[in-house]
Amino acid sequence: GDSVTQMEGPVTLSEEAFLTINCTYTATGYPSLFWYVQYPGEGLQLLLKATKADDKGSNKGFEATYRKETTSFHLEKGSVQVSDSAVYFCALSDLDGNQFYFGTGTSLTVIP
Amino acid sequence: DAGVTQSPTHLIKTRGQHVTLRCSPISGHKSVSWYQQVLGQGPQFIFQYYEKEERGRGNFPDRFSARQFPNYSSELNVNALLLGDSALYLCASSLVVTMNTEAFFGQGTRLTVV
Repeated sequence: GDSVTQMEGPVTLSEEAFLTINCTYTATGYPSLFWYVQYPGEGLQLLLKATKADDKGSNKGFEATYRKETTSFHLEKGSVQVSDSAVYFCALSDLDGNQFYFGTGTSLTVIP
Repeated sequence: DAGVTQSPTHLIKTRGQHVTLRCSPISGHKSVSWYQQVLGQGPQFIFQYYEKEERGRGNFPDRFSARQFPNYSSELNVNALLLGDSALYLCASSLVVTMNTEAFFGQGTRLTVV
């Protein structure tokens, strides 16, 4: 079945450091891929998405590229800020759009 | 504009009891989905409703049920609560149901079963 495997956390970085959170997926066909972010005490917010191979999603300095050949969708940011501290979830949508499959989440803490 | 609203935000129930969680989608959104998020895990899909009909069901026991009303709001019901049902329950709404459609999540209901 469909699934997402996400880099284990927690991750602690200094401000302005480079961030990579790895995400790989298993799916039938070519699903859409998403990164959601969850700030403390809040629900999930969409960070970015990509709907086909080689698409690059980007938002707020974060980027991820849909790599069909490696079935990956790694999240990157060139310079993290304290305000980026949150839990990040990689997800895919099944082909019918009926449900999301989420990874286990990666907790990021950015220290000044 | 109001986002997805869920009520209550927190509640504590005793094993064996029943609970009803409520969700109001973003205005104009016709699809509502429910997810269970256990501490330290990613959300797990429970149900999806679109135009008041069940479109999908995750791997949850029959103790879990849901429905969607004519105004597109939704309820999630859980009977015979177990300690393992303690989790954050998230509601998500979307305009339509397609593979590319973003889901908008509420802040969740934190259920504690004691």
